[in-house]
Formats: sequence, structure tokens, C-alpha cells
Amino acid sequence: GAVVSQHPSRVICKSGTSVKIECRSLDFQATTMFWYRQFPKQSLMLMATSNEGSKATYEQGVEKDKFLINHASLTLSTLTVTSAHPEDSSFYICSAKVTGEVYGYTFGSGTRLTVV
Amino acid sequence: KQEVTQIPAALSVPEGENLVLNCSFTDSAIYNLQWFRQDPGKGLTSLLLIQSSQREQTSGRLNASLDKSSGRSTLYIAASQPGDSATYLCAADNYGQNFVFGPGTRLSVLP
Repeated sequence: GAVVSQHPSRVICKSGTSVKIECRSLDFQATTMFWYRQFPKQSLMLMATSNEGSKATYEQGVEKDKFLINHASLTLSTLTVTSAHPEDSSFYICSAKVTGEVYGYTFGSGTRLTVV
Repeated sequence: KQEVTQIPAALSVPEGENLVLNCSFTDSAIYNLQWFRQDPGKGLTSLLLIQSSQREQTSGRLNASLDKSSGRSTLYIAASQPGDSATYLCAADNYGQNFVFGPGTRLSVLP
């Protein structure tokens, strides 16, 4: 149980275009989802926290107009990287908080974004 | 602000050896601490979660301990196998406010 499905797993896009990454909770309702970014050989850094039906909370230094987060339903959160640039190339991973269980947090499988 | 560190940054051991990975956190007011495994280019696999009221958790060859007062957690891997090779991350949950990851320990188990 408590599975989060993240798509796509890999995406290559041209500089200046936008890319959408989806994260779905398959067998539970995720009122809170988190988006992380991981640069090569570095740990995961929290970008933003999204709550269903409300605006996302962004961490310091993360541009909210560049990284658009939508959490319109209890099973879907999306991250859109707008006007992507090569420096946005990274591994993006979502996570959902699983309440009512001991499990804690469950993570998606990640999306490798390459901007060329 | 919670900070999480991990020692060592990298570790290479022969197959069969027992090993310990260390995790330290600066703010002891955590809700739980979780250990994850990450294979290259992949997402995270949760290994063990220790709630703040617990001192340790075990799963198979893995044992994780938590000492909140000293801000430390250890992950013990018994009888290591080449398949254990991966990056191991610990993360502290600050009462759902944020989830802070350590930089990870890259483990290589040599056959």
C-alpha cells in the first residue's frame, strides 16, 4: 500500500520549453505532497510543499513562478518547470505524507529532467 | 534549522562484513527518523522508520537505532552483500513541517 506513481521517469526538453511532471497517489489520499530536487552526487533538497486545494509553500530560493505546483485533487500533484534552462536539469522526486500508518512518507520513482 | 549529516560519505567493504552507517541531526525535536536506499538514477526505497518514542527498528539484516538526546541514528547492516550497494540516506521529520535529508553514504560491497 501507499504507492506514489511519478511520470515521466525521464524527459529531455529544449531550452525555453515547459515540462510537466505528475505525481499520483494510487491507493490513498494525499492531502500533502512534497517536491524535491536532487543534483548529481548531492542529497535531496525540498523545493515546495503542496496541500490539496491551496497554494504551495516554496522553500527559500525556489522561484514559484518557474516551478508551478498544482495539487487540485487528493490523488494528483503536478510540477511544471516553465521556460526550462540547462541549469534546471536535475532529478525531481515527489513524496506524499501517509497519515494513519506508521509508514511516514512514500516517494515517487523520480523524474530525470535534461534540458538541452 | 534542522541539519542532517552522515558519516562516512562513502564506504567500500568486502562481502560478508557487518557495517554501521551514521546519521546526526541538530534539532532533537523530531517526529521520526527514516532511512532510505537510493540506487543510481532511481527513486527512494524506505528501509526503516523509527518514531520518536522508539529506540530501534529491525528488518531482516538491517537494524536502525535512534538516540534523540544525542541527535544520532545508526543503520547497522549485517552480513553485507553486493546487492546492498547503493546510497543510503537518512531523513528527519520535523513534525511534518519539513523532511530534511542527509547527504547520504555511498556503499559499495565488493564480491
